[in-house]
Amino acid sequence: AQTVTQSQPEMSVQEAETVTLSCTYDTSENNYYLFWYKQPPSRQMILVIRQEAYKQQNATENRFSVNFQKAAKSFSLKISDSQLGDTAMYFCAFEGSNYKLTFGKGTLLTVNP
Amino acid sequence: KAGVTQTPRYLIKTRGQQVTLSCSPISGHRSVSWYQQTPGQGLQFLFEYFSETQRNKGNFPGRFSGRQFSNSRSEMNVSTLELGDSALYLCASSRSGTDGLKAFFGQGTRLTVV
Repeated sequence: AQTVTQSQPEMSVQEAETVTLSCTYDTSENNYYLFWYKQPPSRQMILVIRQEAYKQQNATENRFSVNFQKAAKSFSLKISDSQLGDTAMYFCAFEGSNYKLTFGKGTLLTVNP
Repeated sequence: KAGVTQTPRYLIKTRGQQVTLSCSPISGHRSVSWYQQTPGQGLQFLFEYFSETQRNKGNFPGRFSGRQFSNSRSEMNVSTLELGDSALYLCASSRSGTDGLKAFFGQGTRLTVV
């Protein structure tokens, strides 16, 4: 069974600064997908960024980028130029061959003005 | 195009009752998966449907069931409600469920069991 671990329950960052959220996972599969989702107080789950395991190049989406280390089973999210609207719970998730997402426990990120 | 629609948004039920939640996927999406979110257990997978067939089920008791209709809309049912079933129930839709594109979630149904 897959597991996803987010070791930082809470983090804070000053507006305009950079922050990195950590995620590790465990799987015996070779082909899979990894995701970071954002859940603001509205509870709407929003996809931030996704990574295909067979791609060595790290995914980027505007201010969001990942550091994907397949051998180490690590998938961290870097947010550059943090904005107040980035305040949310962030979930790391894994999707393998069994049609489901396995989520980490989440990291509550607070961006301070 | 319209997003994933979950109804109702909020629900209050009494212990022992049953409840049905609905999820309408994005047009063209044939895979619907359901998740339960609680403060203690986090996000847990309930089940996934594709073309009216359940392809995977999470570790939940038989009181939790679901189905999918020919138009891809899905329902989940919880019978004999317990206080611990109070949670936010989320559904996600994708085209095939195997393309790594589970990008679209509904806003969830907040179920409170009293």
